[in-house]
Amino acid sequence: QKEVEQDPGPLSVPEGAIVSLNCTYSNSAFQYFMWYRQYSRKGPELLMYTYSSGNKEDGRFTAQVDKSSKYISLFIRDSQPSDSATYLCAMSWYQGAQKLVFGQGTRLTINP
Amino acid sequence: GAVVSQHPSRVICKSGTSVKIECRSLDFQATTMFWYRQFPKQSLMLMATSNEGSKATYEQGVEKDKFLINHASLTLSTLTVTSAHPEDSSFYICSGLNRGLYEQYFGPGTRLTVT
Repeated sequence: QKEVEQDPGPLSVPEGAIVSLNCTYSNSAFQYFMWYRQYSRKGPELLMYTYSSGNKEDGRFTAQVDKSSKYISLFIRDSQPSDSATYLCAMSWYQGAQKLVFGQGTRLTINP
Repeated sequence: GAVVSQHPSRVICKSGTSVKIECRSLDFQATTMFWYRQFPKQSLMLMATSNEGSKATYEQGVEKDKFLINHASLTLSTLTVTSAHPEDSSFYICSGLNRGLYEQYFGPGTRLTVT
């Protein structure tokens, strides 16, 4: 079993839809949870960063962490074609950890 | 945000040759840099962690004699793939840990093709 599981998709939704992306994990020691966006043939860029359980909102993006269920989500409201990318969840044990454990990434396409 | 560059962005080499990839943090000091490998439609797999002035720490299963990492300064790390083979063809991505912010900033990646 992988430490972090993420449905690779692909996921295709119409413009303006609410998108829900999810990851599950098995290691309860994870404390920091991140979402990265990766455009084709580019490096990942950090979107959201959450510590422990709870919600965090940044513009159209909301990250949720449920440590009791070992489940994290990223919601994108009012999705735009420019949101089309691969979204990777990542986790670590402590702030500034030497190692991030990534999910497989979900390929998302927003159709105009 | 902090910027990390990689050079080259794309390289094609013949089997048996060596290839060097550079990773630079342009506007911050990266005491720690990471090298990842990403196969098509797969996630990033950490290969090694390098701290400035120290030997790199390799993940299990990564051959340190094949993937030579040097982190000579706070802004530059290099990955050399020695005696490359077609199975080494992949997308190599580096990241730098911004001291004080505890955030990894990723480079744009280098696509290596070994023929």
